[in-house]
Amino acid sequence: GQNIDQPTEMTATEGAIVQINCTYQTSGFNGLFWYQQHAGEAPTFLSYNVLDGLEEKGRFSSFLSRSKGYSYLLLKELQMKDSASYLCAVRVPMDSNYQLIWGAGTKLIIKP
Amino acid sequence: DAGITQSPRHKVTETGTPVTLRCHQTENHRYMYWYRQDPGHGLRLIHYSYGVKDTDKGEVSDGYSVSRSKTEDFLLTLESATSSQTSVYFCATRGGETQYFGPGTRLLVL
Repeated sequence: GQNIDQPTEMTATEGAIVQINCTYQTSGFNGLFWYQQHAGEAPTFLSYNVLDGLEEKGRFSSFLSRSKGYSYLLLKELQMKDSASYLCAVRVPMDSNYQLIWGAGTKLIIKP
Repeated sequence: DAGITQSPRHKVTETGTPVTLRCHQTENHRYMYWYRQDPGHGLRLIHYSYGVKDTDKGEVSDGYSVSRSKTEDFLLTLESATSSQTSVYFCATRGGETQYFGPGTRLLVL
């Protein structure tokens, strides 16, 4: 089976740091994605990890451990506009193609 | 982001009626996808296309059909809408490794 788990909701304070975890059990693995989705809008791409380690992109970083089936998204210097849902997705082989299996998303609430 | 538009953006329909949603892209991407998004669930793949006239089923394809007669257009049809198909529908294209999403269609089936 395919399963991706992430917390349903998290709260953090403006200016602080927050870590959003994602664990996965999938039949195959070909990369992990993080997307941001503001309420009522489309998901937008944040990061892609295919090898173990930390990828840093400005205030956002994403970490992957394939042996542990684990990833996290780290957001630094939180701003009010970071209030959104964060979606974790794993790319898995399916037939002769690849598909994305999605977690249900983590709603991040930023408080002043 | 890829130039992806969806129409209509909002629709209310009645149970048993057919509904067609349209996705249009200007990026010449080969792969296109239809997802639905419901509270408490991750995005779920309905159908996808890997080229003109080449389509395949996703995880939740029952009650849906698709067509792709041109690279830029991917149509999703609900053959006879049911209340369980009330959802937000997203179209996506793939550029490189990354999927890019359209703005979504909110569908309410009464």
